[in-house]
Amino acid sequence: EAAVTQSPRNKVAVTGGKVTLSCNQTNNHNNMYWYRQDTGHGLRLIHYSYGAGSTEKGDIPDGYKASRPSQENFSLILELATPSQTSVYFCASGEDWGQNTLYFGAGTRLSVL
Amino acid sequence: GDSVTQTKGPVTLSEGTSLTVNCSYETKQYPTLFWYVQYPGEGPQLLFKVPKANEKGSNRGFEATYDKGTTSFHLQKASVQESDSAVYYCVLGDQGSNYQLIWGSGTKLIIKP
Repeated sequence: EAAVTQSPRNKVAVTGGKVTLSCNQTNNHNNMYWYRQDTGHGLRLIHYSYGAGSTEKGDIPDGYKASRPSQENFSLILELATPSQTSVYFCASGEDWGQNTLYFGAGTRLSVL
Repeated sequence: GDSVTQTKGPVTLSEGTSLTVNCSYETKQYPTLFWYVQYPGEGPQLLFKVPKANEKGSNRGFEATYDKGTTSFHLQKASVQESDSAVYYCVLGDQGSNYQLIWGSGTKLIIKP
């Protein structure tokens, strides 16, 4: 069974603080993704990665950085968190382009106060 | 660019009634089409995918036909159950796109017993 694990599951941060969301996958997939989910917007792609050492910008990268130090791990970093980044964040892993089946983690609920 | 438009929810139905969630797409490529389902507190998971035009996909009593002529991929189920309450996403996977997947905005389905 494909497995993507996110931590923490819930996070409260202060405005201007640094936040790191972590994701680990045991699927041995090359591709990993970070999405955010907001009411009325569905899922929006923040950053993605082709493999260890690579990160690419998605549709809404401003205010976020990503890090892929290994095949298994992909982090999302908010250097200076703002209240507008309050959201639910999902990590996913997948195989080939276009015909991807993505496997999602359970999500991280982030509140920036 | 590529886009996906689906029924705006929430959709509220009684158990045992039939369901149609409309999905229309725009692309110049030859995409794979997906339906994902997201249950409360979980990440999205694949319901089924259809890689070729004029073919049908199905799973758990849900089905959809990839209609290239009308650029549609409507989700249907003959008799819904309370356990089908979830958010349903129509998704386009474009082999020519660096972003891999284009997500619809999601349709929340509420089934009353």
